[in-house]
Amino acid sequence: EVQLVESGGGLVQPGGSLRLSCAASGFTFSTYWMHWVRQAPGKGLEWVSRINPDGSITSCADSVKGRFTISRDNAKNTLYLQMNSLRAEDTAVYYCARDAYSGSCGPWGQGTLVTVSS
Amino acid sequence: DIVMTQSPDSLAVSLGERATINCKSSQSVLYSSNNKNYLAWYQQKPGQPPKMLIYWASTRESGVPDRFSGSGSGTDFTLTISSLQAEDVAVYYCQQYYTTSYTFGQGTKLEIK
Repeated sequence: EVQLVESGGGLVQPGGSLRLSCAASGFTFSTYWMHWVRQAPGKGLEWVSRINPDGSITSCADSVKGRFTISRDNAKNTLYLQMNSLRAEDTAVYYCARDAYSGSCGPWGQGTLVTVSS
Repeated sequence: DIVMTQSPDSLAVSLGERATINCKSSQSVLYSSNNKNYLAWYQQKPGQPPKMLIYWASTRESGVPDRFSGSGSGTDFTLTISSLQAEDVAVYYCQQYYTTSYTFGQGTKLEIK
């Protein structure tokens, strides 16, 4: 069974940093593109970033460009999201998701909540 | 970026009746070289992560009940639930994956009338 378990969320002050992790199991992690998608409280879904299987190709949304960095460790079956210069508008549940078909996402983890507030 | 617009924002349907959700993209998501529409539908129940229902606009994901169907091409798409069940109460999202902005619609909240 595919499992994705996010961790690393919490309360951080504006301008601070946080690193999220997503532990993957139940599939060959090193062969899949992976995504981060976020959801602000009571709001819709916003795609954040993606990474190819060997970590050599990444892209991210304009809203986080220059502040967030996606990476992976295939030996540890773990996906990361390094978030710097955090803003109040980054407050959201952050989900990791496996790429399903060329950019569609599934399955998804349960998410980890990031709150940016002073 | 491609803008995805869903209608309606919310919908109340009686049990056993048909529910229809629309999704319109600001530009075509049909890739001519393979004739595939890069459009997916997701279901998100309260307190849960999203779950993919439909990909390539009309292909049902494994395990998804056949009362769920997707249709459309180019810029106009529809998710249909043929006979609403109580467990279908959720927010439904469309998503384009034609461009790497991977934009989602704003969501449609489906309730029981």
